[in-house]
Amino acid sequence: DAKTTQPPSMDCAEGRAANLPCNHSTISGNEYVYWYRQIHSQGPQYIIHGLKNNETNEMASLIITEDRKSSTLILPHATLRDTAVYYCIAGGKAGGYQKVTFGIGTKLQVIP
Amino acid sequence: SAVISQKPSRDICQRGTSLTIQCQVDSQVTMMFWYRQQPGQSLTLIATANQGSEATYESGFVIDKFPISRPNLTFSTLTVSNMSPEDSSIYLCSVEDLSGQGTTGELFFGEGSRLTVL
Repeated sequence: DAKTTQPPSMDCAEGRAANLPCNHSTISGNEYVYWYRQIHSQGPQYIIHGLKNNETNEMASLIITEDRKSSTLILPHATLRDTAVYYCIAGGKAGGYQKVTFGIGTKLQVIP
Repeated sequence: SAVISQKPSRDICQRGTSLTIQCQVDSQVTMMFWYRQQPGQSLTLIATANQGSEATYESGFVIDKFPISRPNLTFSTLTVSNMSPEDSSIYLCSVEDLSGQGTTGELFFGEGSRLTVL
């Protein structure tokens, strides 16, 4: 898996967009970018993934730069329930065996 | 999406004892993964459990300490043997999504088993 770099913590005002950056400059051509989050005392939850196109689902949007060396997870309207540790992972592959290495992630605090 | 149940959800154990954690999935899956999350830390992969074969352990983890069983495509157990306080962690079971349309590669996790070793 490619190594990822994320800021250790971020704050976001409730109702505003939360933009969480991730650097993955060593990502290879067939590696996807996955985002998970872990709310306190719960198991990690899958959010979204992409290869090179931007992706959107009911939870978030994923913006991947053209060179694929970085990406941004966007929570369009953050709520208090979005307070969690967010993990960016570059590696594994969709459609196959998914061995995932977690980094330290970004601790997002949504502030009322 | 897969639903994963883990037992026990939490336990307090004495040093030197062993504890077996169960992971039940509501659908058949090929690969199951066991992770450890030490207090304040990220997740570390312990091993990959494939039905019908020996589990594959990551560096720093050995079968004698963390024996794993995978008797069928919906169930696995992880045993933490001869526990010490350093084994106090959350242990998580995970599977790759294998929905009928083909896998998307996303992982689903159980809620974890929080072990405290005294």
